[in-house]
Amino acid sequence: SQELEQSPQSLIVQEGKNLTINCTSSKTLYGLYWYKQKYGEGLIFLMMLQKGGEEKSHEKITAKLDEKKQQSSLHITASQPSHAGIYLCGAYTNDYKLSFGAGTTVTVRA
Amino acid sequence: EAQVTQNPRYLITVTGKKLTVTCSQNMNHEYMSWYRQDPGLGLRQIYYSMNVEVTDKGDVPEGYKVSRKEKRNFPLILESPSPNQTSLYFCASSPKQGYQPQHFGDGTRLSIL
Repeated sequence: SQELEQSPQSLIVQEGKNLTINCTSSKTLYGLYWYKQKYGEGLIFLMMLQKGGEEKSHEKITAKLDEKKQQSSLHITASQPSHAGIYLCGAYTNDYKLSFGAGTTVTVRA
Repeated sequence: EAQVTQNPRYLITVTGKKLTVTCSQNMNHEYMSWYRQDPGLGLRQIYYSMNVEVTDKGDVPEGYKVSRKEKRNFPLILESPSPNQTSLYFCASSPKQGYQPQHFGDGTRLSIL
């Protein structure tokens, strides 16, 4: 089955600083999904990347997909307290099963 | 408002007492799925349904049952809950199967004593 490894597992960033989270797949990626979760709450869909080289942005969050490396990165610019939470990457292993990485916990310090 | 609704949000119960967690979506989605989330293990799929009366096992189906009699509802049934089923459960849906983002409910925290 497809495995997704996220790094780092957790990070602490000073407010206003940038941060990057990586998601690496053990198999070919047919699309990559980024979600955000506040502790104990539901997952909020952030963005979907479907093609190699694709880059999408939403407010201060940018995600890229590198098909050759089977990797996606999520970059947050000028982090704010509202960016704190758990970020999860997900990918379909076939057309009906979405697998997830273990998540990256982001803490933003004022 | 488009949403996936789970009930209850929190439940503490005892070993062996049958329980059902309901899930309902108002988006006319064909595909629905159940996950459990555990520390260090991430999200794991329990069961999924591609449409009414079509269900299949995910990665961790043991101890769970599901049914899909109506398009909007996909209940998760624990016939004889055990402590190792203590977890945070999520229901999700998407318009169809296949490479589409899934919309998640707010989660149900189950504690089995």
